[in-house]
Order: sequence, then structure tokens, then C-alpha cells
Amino acid sequence: SQQGEEDPQALSIQEGENATMNCSYKTSINNLQWYRQNSGRGLVHLILIRSNEREKHSGRLRVTLDTSKKSSSLLITASRAADTASYFCATANTGTASKLTFGTGTRLQVTL
Amino acid sequence: DAMVIQNPRYQVTQFGKPVTLSCSQTLNHNVMYWYQQKSSQAPKLLFHYYDKDFNNEADTPDNFQSRRPNTSFCFLDIRSPGLGDAAMYLCATSSGVYTEAFFGQGTRLTVV
Repeated sequence: SQQGEEDPQALSIQEGENATMNCSYKTSINNLQWYRQNSGRGLVHLILIRSNEREKHSGRLRVTLDTSKKSSSLLITASRAADTASYFCATANTGTASKLTFGTGTRLQVTL
Repeated sequence: DAMVIQNPRYQVTQFGKPVTLSCSQTLNHNVMYWYQQKSSQAPKLLFHYYDKDFNNEADTPDNFQSRRPNTSFCFLDIRSPGLGDAAMYLCATSSGVYTEAFFGQGTRLTVV
């Protein structure tokens, strides 16, 4: 079953613009992760933010986490055509039955 | 340098004919996951292993079984594939349940 919902479902921007994707989840988490998937391929891990962290950066990526609202956002700055992909958040829930569960994803299209 | 390898990349099987998908890893990770991903949807967790400890999702059909004979290998068996089982099947590994996951390239299953 899906843990999270993401919005928007699809996002189309021009190269150089920033892209923001949001993720909401339902249960208590140990961490939240963002992944990227190019069409027809496996997923690639982008960044992990722990439940006691509020913001994290990696290159052009900025992730925020608000555990009180059970939400996270991924910002990609100065987007490039090569950023075109689907982006998924995934949560690792706390507890003995922890597992990695994915949200619904955002399809990002970056045009020249 | 591939660390999580799924074979085959493309599999065509007949309706009702058992099929096995395989996954191997060179990372020596304790955790292995199997996900099902249908077109334009999020990966859906089928089951996961922590070492030999098997965890089945409540909504995973009985038609799906898994084996993990050793740390490096994991298999997904679909006993009687139906048309609705056509999907991308993704294998992933992680060193622990709270760490990033590494995905294989997936096996795209077609049922005819």
C-alpha cells in the first residue's frame, strides 16, 4: 500500500527554472528519502533526510521535512533537460516492521 | 560495476505459466525488497527480507512467492501469471531498513 501522496502529479517547466515537489505521508517515520526514475529504468537514490532534521542540501537539491505536518518537499534549482524524470518520495517507518514505502510520484518535464 | 542485477530485463510468459524473476547483489546487504510497478504508478512493495526473515505485505496475492537462498540472491516466483500481473518488477537492497536502497534496472514482465 502507498504511504504517501505527492503533488503535483505532473510538472512542466523550462530549463533554468526551479521545480518544487511535495510529499505527504501518514505514519511515524525514521527517515524520508527521495528517488528519481528515468522512463523504464530502476530508481536512483537522491537524498535521505532523518526525522530529526528539517532541511538538507545536495548539489542543486534541497529537501525539507516537517514532521508535525507529515510532509516533505524537494526543490530542484536551475533545472536542466536532463532532470526530466519521475520523482518519488519514500518513507522508512519506525517500529519493528520497518520497510521502505513509496509515494505516488511527480513526473517532471524540463523543456529547452 | 552493476551492484544489483536483475535478470532477465524483459520476460514474456504465457497466461498461467509459472515464471521466475531473479535478482543478485554484490553489496552484501541484509535487506532485499521486491516491488511491482505498473505504468505511471508508484512502486508497490510485495515483500522484503531482513537476512532470512521474510516479510509479506498483507495485500500481496498468494500467487506471488519469494525465495532467498543466500545473501546474494533473491527470486520472485509468480505461480500462475494473469494479465493483471504484467508490470515492471524491481528488486532493491539496503544495508539496513533505515538506509538508502539500491535498485536494479528492473524486469519488465509481459503476459500473453
